[in-house]
Amino acid sequence: AQSVTQLDSHVSVSEGTPVLLRCNYSSSYSPSLFWYVQHPNKGLQLLLKYTSAATLVKGINGFEAEFKKSETSFHLTKPSAHMSDAAEYFCVVNVNTGNQFYFGTGTSLTVIP
Amino acid sequence: NAGVTQTPKFQVLKTGQSMTLQCAQDMNHNSMYWYRQDPGMGLRLIYYSASEGTTDKGEVPNGYNVSRLNKREFSLRLESAAPSQTSVYFCASSQRGGAGTIQYFGAGTRLSVL
Repeated sequence: AQSVTQLDSHVSVSEGTPVLLRCNYSSSYSPSLFWYVQHPNKGLQLLLKYTSAATLVKGINGFEAEFKKSETSFHLTKPSAHMSDAAEYFCVVNVNTGNQFYFGTGTSLTVIP
Repeated sequence: NAGVTQTPKFQVLKTGQSMTLQCAQDMNHNSMYWYRQDPGMGLRLIYYSASEGTTDKGEVPNGYNVSRLNKREFSLRLESAAPSQTSVYFCASSQRGGAGTIQYFGAGTRLSVL
């Protein structure tokens, strides 16, 4: 079975400080992992994805994530938060053979000026 | 560069009414999906269509029907709306299923059932 756990429902950071959004997954197969971002009243946009190549994945807008198989984690980081990063972030897992994507419950990121 | 287009953007229904949510993509994708998003629950898959002519149930299909009209269009129908179906509905598409597939999402339909 596949599942995704986002460990924090809300994260607040000050502008210019690092961002860490945590995601743990479980999967019976080699997973593909994604981070999507959703700005208010918008659809979801892909930030980055992991598909069994390099374990450190760089995405758009300065975000990156590291796949750690031993810890079954795929945490999202950014060195310096910007006001425009305030949004909802979703960690998603997909397995090789299926059309089903499993979403975490989301982490709401607030950036304080 | 329209991507995935959903209509309508907002809808209010009374209990028992029916309606169809429309979704169209212009990326020549094979797979299409319908999700619902509820507070604190992330996105849950209602139905998906791996290719034209096929549809499959997802995690929460009860109370919904779908039609893959052609490669571009995938509609979601509520035959008899219930307050529990108040949600934000997202349509998505992807080139195919499987490893590394990126989904592209529409802007959503906000549905309230009174």
